[in-house]
Amino acid sequence: AQKVTQAQTEISVVEKEDVTLDCVYETRDTTYYLFWYKQPPSGELVFLIRRNSFDEQNEISGRYSWNFQKSTSSFNFTITASQVVDSAVYFCALSEGDGGATNKLIFGTGTLLAVQP
Amino acid sequence: NAGVTQTPKFRVLKTGQSMTLLCAQDMNHEYMYWYRQDPGMGLRLIHYSVGEGTTAKGEVPDGYNVSRLKKQNFLLGLESAAPSQTSVYFCASSYLTGRFDTEAFFGQGTRLTVV
Repeated sequence: AQKVTQAQTEISVVEKEDVTLDCVYETRDTTYYLFWYKQPPSGELVFLIRRNSFDEQNEISGRYSWNFQKSTSSFNFTITASQVVDSAVYFCALSEGDGGATNKLIFGTGTLLAVQP
Repeated sequence: NAGVTQTPKFRVLKTGQSMTLLCAQDMNHEYMYWYRQDPGMGLRLIHYSVGEGTTAKGEVPDGYNVSRLKKQNFLLGLESAAPSQTSVYFCASSYLTGRFDTEAFFGQGTRLTVV
């Protein structure tokens, strides 16, 4: 069965600290997609990144970086020099079956990140 | 620049009442989805649609019905609301480029309370 595990329920850091959010997934598919979404206190879901199973290159976008490792079925997300505006719930998600033909997503339970000033 | 719009934003229902949540997207997306978000459980897929006139069940479809009569609209119905359906409901839409997945765009959510 497909599953996404975010073992960290809550993380609290002080501004300017680096923080890594963990995501471990399970799937039998050979083609799949992984996502990270951010949900700020206002409640909307903000897309951050999509990565397909054939691309294990790490990615950096400003203060954000992602480490995808198929060998450990992990897709971790790091925020460098965290800011108060980064405070949110972060969801990792996996596309369900059909080789990614649709966006049927399996979400993790989310990690609440609190950045203290 | 509307994107995905959900109506209403908030609603309180009594047990046994019915209601319909409307999702409208203006991006010409083929695929649309309804998710529910409950504390500690992330988002779970209720129903989805891969095109006008087609719908399919997701992970938690019981107690809900959907319709996709027009490409831009995806309706979620609760025929007889139960307290267990108290949740935040998110609609999403996406397009397909070739065989590659693309990100889903989410609406702002509807907070439904069933008393």
